[in-house]
Amino acid sequence: AQSVTQLDSQVPVFEEAPVELRCNYSSSVSVYLFWYVQYPNQGLQLLLKYLSGSTLVESINGFEAEFNKSQTSFHLRKPSVHISDTAEYFCAVSVNQGAQKLVFGQGTRLTINP
Amino acid sequence: EPEVTQTPSHQVTQMGQEVILRCVPISNHLYFYWYRQILGQKVEFLVSFYNNEISEKSEIFDDQFSVERPDGSNFTLKIRSTKLEDSAMYFCASSNSSPLHFGNGTRLTVT
Repeated sequence: AQSVTQLDSQVPVFEEAPVELRCNYSSSVSVYLFWYVQYPNQGLQLLLKYLSGSTLVESINGFEAEFNKSQTSFHLRKPSVHISDTAEYFCAVSVNQGAQKLVFGQGTRLTINP
Repeated sequence: EPEVTQTPSHQVTQMGQEVILRCVPISNHLYFYWYRQILGQKVEFLVSFYNNEISEKSEIFDDQFSVERPDGSNFTLKIRSTKLEDSAMYFCASSNSSPLHFGNGTRLTVT
């Protein structure tokens, strides 16, 4: 079975500061990794994913995540956050590329202060 | 961009009552899912559905739960006799491969 741990339930940062949201996973087989974002009153949206290839993956809005197999981590980073990044961020894993069954972490609430 | 829609956004029901949560997946998708999130807890997989049958279900998805695709557009989750612990946000999702596209969720409150 797989499990995902997001070490921080809440992360407050000031606007334009860097941020890192931590994600560690546990699995006895290879996994595919995802970050989803949930803006207030909206559904879960895919932010970025690692399926294969380069271990550093990027999103269109400046977030990036690096797959580290030895540390079983997939931390999410952004060098400079905006107020609009305020949301809940979920790390998730799947054992199949089609991601039919996702195992989620408990989520990290990112709050950006002006 | 096409999206998954869920109705209602919030449903309140009494313990023991049946409830049906409705979802309209993205029209050309073939795989359908239900997930739930109890307040303060993780988002949990409930069930996946493909080719008009359940392809996988979790241990949460017991005999009180059922899913149906009654026509070409809707995908429903029925809870036969709701319990207090069924109170949660229920997310519908659809896909063809990756990624999953989620709806905004239905908040179910059982009183």
